[in-house]
Amino acid sequence: AQSVTQLDSQVPVFEEAPVELRCNYSSSVSVYLFWYVQYPNQGLQLLLKYLSGSTLVKGINGFEAEFNKSQTSFHLRKPSVHISDTAEYFCAVRTSGGGADGLTFGKGTHLIIQP
Amino acid sequence: DAGVIQSPRHEVTEMGQEVTLRCKPISGHNSLFWYRQTMMRGLELLIYFNNNVPIDDSGMPEDRFSAKMPNASFSTLKIQPSEPRDSAVYFCASSHRLAGGIDTQYFGPGTRLTVL
Repeated sequence: AQSVTQLDSQVPVFEEAPVELRCNYSSSVSVYLFWYVQYPNQGLQLLLKYLSGSTLVKGINGFEAEFNKSQTSFHLRKPSVHISDTAEYFCAVRTSGGGADGLTFGKGTHLIIQP
Repeated sequence: DAGVIQSPRHEVTEMGQEVTLRCKPISGHNSLFWYRQTMMRGLELLIYFNNNVPIDDSGMPEDRFSAKMPNASFSTLKIQPSEPRDSAVYFCASSHRLAGGIDTQYFGPGTRLTVL
């Protein structure tokens, strides 16, 4: 079984400052990794995903994430945040290969952008 | 593209009543997932279907919960009888799963269920 840990439940950041949201996973097999964003009262929207290849993955809205296998991490970054980035961010993992297709999510990190 | 459609968006019911949540996946998608989101437990996978067949229902909390997918364009999640601890936001997601490929799950807006 796999698990996901998002170390920060809440991250306050000033507008135009950089941000990093941390995600660590645990799995005995290879995994695929995802970041989703949830705006208030909305469903989840895919930001980016890592399946294979380059460990640096670029997503929508200027976000990127780096897969680090040795540290079992998949941290999300943005060089300059905007007020509109205020949302809940979820890291998720899925085992590669056959079998379970559902996503295992972290508890989420609430990104708060301060003017 | 209409995206994943869920109904109702909000449901308030009394303990003991039957609740039915509905989901219409994106046309052409062949996998469907039901998730539940609570403050205490976060997002949890309840059950998923591939080609209308339930594959893994190990996340369904109790026998009070049941899910069906009678055809490729419709699924229901039923709770009978409902209890206050079932209060949560229930999300449906769908994906197009190719053999040996990796699918991306697209989420609906969710149904906020309150059981009094």
